[in-house]
Amino acid sequence: AQSVTQLGSHVSVSEGALVLLRCNYSSSVPPYLFWYVQYPNQGLQLLLKYTSAATLVKGINGFEAEFKKSETSFHLTKPSAHMSDAAEYFCAVSGLRGTSYGKLTFGQGTILTVHP
Amino acid sequence: GAGVSQSPSNKVTEKGKDVELRCDPISGHTALYWYRQSLGQGLEFLIYFQGNSAPDKSGLPSDRFSAERTGGSVSTLTIQRTQQEDSAVYLCASSSPLTSGGIGELFFGEGSRLTVL
Repeated sequence: AQSVTQLGSHVSVSEGALVLLRCNYSSSVPPYLFWYVQYPNQGLQLLLKYTSAATLVKGINGFEAEFKKSETSFHLTKPSAHMSDAAEYFCAVSGLRGTSYGKLTFGQGTILTVHP
Repeated sequence: GAGVSQSPSNKVTEKGKDVELRCDPISGHTALYWYRQSLGQGLEFLIYFQGNSAPDKSGLPSDRFSAERTGGSVSTLTIQRTQQEDSAVYLCASSSPLTSGGIGELFFGEGSRLTVL
């Protein structure tokens, strides 16, 4: 079974500041991990994915995440926040086994607010 | 199509009525998922289709919920005798192991917002 915990339902940063959104996972098998972003009244869009290649994964819009097995973490970062980054972010894990192939288990989401 | 298409985008119904939500996945995507997004509950998995069969329907909350997929393409999620707690955004996603390298990347539609009065 897999699960994801996102620490902090709301994160607020100033424009130009570092963005750090935390995600910890639990998985009985080597996980594939994802970050998705959801803008208001839109569906989810993939930001980046970890598939057991490089542990530091770069995604769209300047975001990156680092897989740390020892900490069971997959935190999302961006060096400098932009106003357009304001959205809700979801971390997800896929176990990729059996009949639930590709099924994702999502965290509760973190709403990112960016102040001018 | 270019993306996952869902209809209706908004649906307001009275308690006790039946509703149907439609999902048209990306052409060629063999896997299709339904999720429910509601306040305080995050994203809940409902059902997974591979082709026309549903090997995982473990997330359907009650027997009032059912889904089918025909022709390996369009899927319909049906909620019978709707209740106020069914109010949520219902998201559909599709994926293809071939094009995504077999890692389960999901492509989401914009969702159907259901309000039960």
